Amino acid sequence: EDQVTQSPEALRLQEGESSSLNCSYTVSGLRGLFWYRQDPGKGPEFLFTLYSAGEEKEKERLKATLTKKESFLHITAPKPEDSATYLCAVQVSGYALNFGKGTSLLVTP
Amino acid sequence: SQTIHQWPATLVQPVGSPLSLECTVEGTSNPNLYWYRQAAGRGLQLLFYSVGIGQISSEVPQNLSASRPQDRQFILSSKKLLLSDSGFYLCAWSVAGDAQFFGPGTRLTVL
Repeated sequence: EDQVTQSPEALRLQEGESSSLNCSYTVSGLRGLFWYRQDPGKGPEFLFTLYSAGEEKEKERLKATLTKKESFLHITAPKPEDSATYLCAVQVSGYALNFGKGTSLLVTP
Repeated sequence: SQTIHQWPATLVQPVGSPLSLECTVEGTSNPNLYWYRQAAGRGLQLLFYSVGIGQISSEVPQNLSASRPQDRQFILSSKKLLLSDSGFYLCAWSVAGDAQFFGPGTRLTVL
């Protein structure tokens, strides 16, 4: 059965303290891996799509990377406004996305 | 630019009552449309998706149904709500199999 596991479930960082979030997946035939940011009570906001191992994407303080078994979302020098839940999803076939449960990130001043 | 709307934003309904949630997309033609549910402590679960008017695919058996009466309108319905239908309902759109873009969501509480 296809699975997406995100770790850690929760992460607390000091402002400026860089770290990484992990998304591991066990799927057959990955078509794409997606990262989203979700603020409380709102819909997920699209961040990145990664299609093949070795691919990297960057946006401001965020950098997403992909290997054959996992993806990392690196956060460099985070700010309090980066606090949110970060969701990872994989697309195997058709249009459906299989989401992980997310990592809740809190960045304190 | 594309915009996606959902309403209502919040809804409190008694068990056994009907449900109708609406989603509309602006700024794109012939999008794929999706309904997800997000329950507390769980990931997003795909409920339905549509690749065109009148074309609905159901991902999980449930108490809900979906319809797409117009190109950019997607409706989620139920004839009789259950307690287990409570959750955060999200509509999303995409161009074919590309990234999906989500609406603001509807918080449904069934009492």
